Amino acid sequence: GAGVSQSPRYKVAKRGQDVALRCDPISGHVSLFWYQQALGQGPEFLTYFQNEAQLDKSGLPSDRFFAERPEGSVSTLKIQRTQQEDSAVYLCASSPHRLPGQGRETQYFGPGTRLLVL
Amino acid sequence: AQSVSQHNHHVILSEAASLELGCNYSYGGTVNLFWYVQYPGQHLQLLLKYFSGDPLVKGIKGFEAEFIKSKFSFNLRKPSVQWSDTAEYFCAVNAGVRGNKLVFGAGTILRVKS
Repeated sequence: GAGVSQSPRYKVAKRGQDVALRCDPISGHVSLFWYQQALGQGPEFLTYFQNEAQLDKSGLPSDRFFAERPEGSVSTLKIQRTQQEDSAVYLCASSPHRLPGQGRETQYFGPGTRLLVL
Repeated sequence: AQSVSQHNHHVILSEAASLELGCNYSYGGTVNLFWYVQYPGQHLQLLLKYFSGDPLVKGIKGFEAEFIKSKFSFNLRKPSVQWSDTAEYFCAVNAGVRGNKLVFGAGTILRVKS
């Protein structure tokens, strides 16, 4: 069965350039998460969607970061005017959301997009 | 705010050695605890998780973890490691609020020598 897929797998951007990262969650999964993983660190939460609703964006580091999931399936994370500190692996995860609000569901992760800002 | 500490960033073991990776979290309420593993070239995948009940949880590939509430710990163990256990291991906590986000530790890179 298909897992979570992300594209592109690698992205090199010049400082100041805008980038868009795509996530295709597992079919039927209600919840979708974005995480940022800097080198040598664990993933850090960015934002969370339940279907098309963005319920938590508390982890987005600045207003240059924007995420959307307009039809409740595919999601895009957009970074405007990229800076060198944005260089990281961006992970997407999805979960079925059978147990809402309890935090017990397994999150299924994609392979990530490695972003390098020069 | 929740935080997770993993005490060892790099661990090197010989095959058949026993493994224990430490994980401590800071959160006073009810928590859900996870260990994820990332094998070389692969994505993060769940190793095991704890919600309630028996504090000794068994996961895939012979791994287990023990939840000790008084110590805010959730250490990962395996009696005898194999070369194929070479990977990075992440402990994570979810307090079940605000949409189920996971808070991860910094990870422990395990290298098993054959």
